[in-house]
Amino acid sequence: AQSVTQLDSHVSVSEGTPVLLRCNYSSSYSPSLFWYVQHPNKGLQLLLKYTSAATLVKGINGFEAEFKKSETSFHLTKPSAHMSDAAEYFCVVSDRYGGSQGNLIFGKGTKLSVKP
Amino acid sequence: DSGVTQTPKHLITATGQRVTLRCSPRSGDLSVYWYQQSLDQGLQFLIQYYNGEERAKGNILERFSAQQFPDLHSELNLSSLELGDSALYFCASSSSGTPFNEQFFGPGTRLTVL
Repeated sequence: AQSVTQLDSHVSVSEGTPVLLRCNYSSSYSPSLFWYVQHPNKGLQLLLKYTSAATLVKGINGFEAEFKKSETSFHLTKPSAHMSDAAEYFCVVSDRYGGSQGNLIFGKGTKLSVKP
Repeated sequence: DSGVTQTPKHLITATGQRVTLRCSPRSGDLSVYWYQQSLDQGLQFLIQYYNGEERAKGNILERFSAQQFPDLHSELNLSSLELGDSALYFCASSSSGTPFNEQFFGPGTRLTVL
């Protein structure tokens, strides 16, 4: 069965410092992986997605993620945090041939706080 | 603004009641997805419709049902409501029937069951 584990429920960084949000996945087949962001009282927005092309994926707002099959990881990074990055971030897996019928399986989320 | 609209924004009701949540997808999108977000279960996929037909089912209870109308808007019906149904319900839309493409999420409907 497919699953995704976000290793930190809360991450706090200072503005201008790097961001690292960690995600590990479990999938029987070749997964598609996504990061979504949810700002307070808003719906979710896609940051980036990996679908078996380049392992380093660039997304919006300076975020990127690297797919590492050997480590079953898909960590999200950003070189320099901005106050507007404060939000909740969800790592998501979709397994085309698995029991989820290809639909999205969400992690529990990581709340990112950015201190001035 | 994603272009996906959901009504109402907030809904407060009592146990045992029935409610209907409405979603209008982005113009041209044929797929509609429903999700439930709660503190204990996190974000869970409920059901997907594509061009009026049910395409996939997730963790949707038998007390819940959905449909997609010819104009592509969708409704999620929740009946015999329980306290545990209190959650944020999101609708998302995409242009294709596969969930691998980007899904655009609405702002959600917050349901409170008292």
